[in-house]
Amino acid sequence: AQKITQTQPGMFVQEKEAVTLDCTYDTSDPSYGLFWYKQPSSGEMIFLIYQGSYDQQNATEGRYSLNFQKARKSANLVISASQLGDSAMYFCAMREGLENNAGNMLTFGGGTRLMVKP
Amino acid sequence: EPEVTQTPSHQVTQMGQEVILRCVPISNHLYFYWYRQILGQKVEFLVSFYNNEISEKSEIFDDQFSVERPDGSNFTLKIRSTKLEDSAMYFCASSSNRRPGTGGYSNQPQHFGDGTRLSIL
Repeated sequence: AQKITQTQPGMFVQEKEAVTLDCTYDTSDPSYGLFWYKQPSSGEMIFLIYQGSYDQQNATEGRYSLNFQKARKSANLVISASQLGDSAMYFCAMREGLENNAGNMLTFGGGTRLMVKP
Repeated sequence: EPEVTQTPSHQVTQMGQEVILRCVPISNHLYFYWYRQILGQKVEFLVSFYNNEISEKSEIFDDQFSVERPDGSNFTLKIRSTKLEDSAMYFCASSSNRRPGTGGYSNQPQHFGDGTRLSIL
């Protein structure tokens, strides 16, 4: 089974509107972290936001927020007030076994290509 | 803001040749990683490195691959006898220690470099 599933290969959003990018995960580990990265066409990977499995509140970072539903094992990324520069690939990733150390590998989903229309 | 730097940005190599990809992690980070992304596919973990030794590696990271931290700043990935299927973007990443006083878990993200695009001819 896939550990990270992103079901939307591509999405369009109108500039200035909000958009939700889906991510579901699969783990039996009680201690894990979920991450979102942005990959523009230039190729670099940019860290956006993090949610820990024990965090009581949904994470927010500027225009990015994470809709974390632990029982449903989903960690959707919400981008508010979309901008043209938000057009990119977005990857959801998970790190398991956080109680061991900070060096655990990230497992990535297949990504969602977001296209912002002017 | 400190960042992970990777050189070269693009490497073209003949099949069968050895290639070394270089990375300078963020200076106070202790955990280092290599990932690769074949064109159009997801990012795949290769190896993690801590305290001068490999802490975890994937099935992809076979005897063809090796990593080294030759000095206090560089972290290298060596690919011996390259194959066509080694063509990919290779990302180096680093992260810092666990956050203290948080019940034993860490939210430290892995910061990625801009990648080295490796093309095997």
